[in-house]
Amino acid sequence: ILNVEQSPQSLHVQEGDSTNFTCSFPSSNFYALHWYRWETAKSPEALFVMTLNGDEKKKGRISATLNTKEGYSYLYIKGSQPEDSATYLCAQADRGSTLGRLYFGRGTQLTVWP
Amino acid sequence: DADVTQTPRNRITKTGKRIMLECSQTKGHDRMYWYRQDPGLGLRLIYYSFDVKDINKGEISDGYSVSRQAQAKFSLSLESAIPNQTALYFCATADSFRITYGYTFGSGTRLTVV
Repeated sequence: ILNVEQSPQSLHVQEGDSTNFTCSFPSSNFYALHWYRWETAKSPEALFVMTLNGDEKKKGRISATLNTKEGYSYLYIKGSQPEDSATYLCAQADRGSTLGRLYFGRGTQLTVWP
Repeated sequence: DADVTQTPRNRITKTGKRIMLECSQTKGHDRMYWYRQDPGLGLRLIYYSFDVKDINKGEISDGYSVSRQAQAKFSLSLESAIPNQTALYFCATADSFRITYGYTFGSGTRLTVV
């Protein structure tokens, strides 16, 4: 079982603020790092999947970076909007016989106030 | 229609009862997973299947069983439900050849065991 940790556990920001949060994971046997966005009463949706050290992904105002050597990924949201309020999950896939199986962190719950 | 459909959406059952949660998908994905979500914990893997003849235990398989009736259907059974199986259950799918696209989740089944 891989220990994937996310911080902070929760975050409250004002509309227009930029924010970021962290996902830490074991760097050995790394295969891929996933980010998901989970809105209340909906199902988690994939944001990014990153596999290479130094990867950077961007979707609109949301971007993510990956450092596999030190075992962390950052998710950034520029100019937060109330519709960005959600729980953001990260998960690691390891390079083993269970390739494709994900180990999830507990998530960062983001609330954006208008 | 949703790509990954879970039934029922909500269920209350009594301790000791057998209950089945169903998942069907129209994505054509070969991989299917069952996870449970408990407050304050990350998504934890119960069972997963990489094709119809392949079933694997996850971290918390005790008290659960699964059936992959077809590529598109993956059912989770609680043989004798107990209150600590009260949780939100998610089915997810993935494509072996497009694993970097991430998982597709169903809308979840909220199960309460009384």
